[in-house]
Amino acid sequence: SYELTQPLSVSVALGQTARITCGGNNIGSKHVHWYQQKPGQAPVLVIYRDSNRPSGIPERFSGSNSGNTATLTISRAQAGDEADYYCQLWDSSAWVFGGGTKLTVL
Amino acid sequence: QVQLQQSGPGLMKPSQTLSLTCAISGDSVSSNSATWNWIRQSPSRGLEWLGRTYYRSKWYSDYAVSVKSRITINPDTSQNQFSLQLNSVTPEDTAVYYCARDNQGIAVADYWGQGTLVTVSS
Repeated sequence: SYELTQPLSVSVALGQTARITCGGNNIGSKHVHWYQQKPGQAPVLVIYRDSNRPSGIPERFSGSNSGNTATLTISRAQAGDEADYYCQLWDSSAWVFGGGTKLTVL
Repeated sequence: QVQLQQSGPGLMKPSQTLSLTCAISGDSVSSNSATWNWIRQSPSRGLEWLGRTYYRSKWYSDYAVSVKSRITINPDTSQNQFSLQLNSVTPEDTAVYYCARDNQGIAVADYWGQGTLVTVSS
């Protein structure tokens, strides 16, 4: 089965840029989606199809996908961005999720 | 505005059948473009997609291989909702269960239910 690999944790200074990666075999050939989850809440979609933002998601959130790595980029990080982030895609007739990355804003 | 409201018991004993319902407002379970999904989350398994139901001139259901022998997801058009049944639960099925909509059928959840913590314990 297809596996998605995310770093367990990423730290970013307030106002700086955070990059969260999602690794997978030839992931660039697939569409990747990203979710933000805060404690006790359901996940929220922040990026779909690699680089598209749903309505209401700030422009500070962007995504890219090429080769074996997809990346979620959060510019001008704010305290409210502190959360777990998950990548997800469709493979072999099933949804596949990454293990999640905890973003800490210092 | 789409809203998904989950209901169902939170405590179960091993071997019982888990039953959850997701009531839809702001959309239709019979939509020709959306799919309706169940996803669970636990510390040991992370986020895990369980399956979906959707309508494309007729009803379809797809299930994850890990639960395929025990799961049923059904639409209820009269109540505009869909349900999850998971048979023969074990403590390994302890998780927060979410229902979610995939608006365009592209395997992405744009709206989620509030989540239901289901604990399986004797």
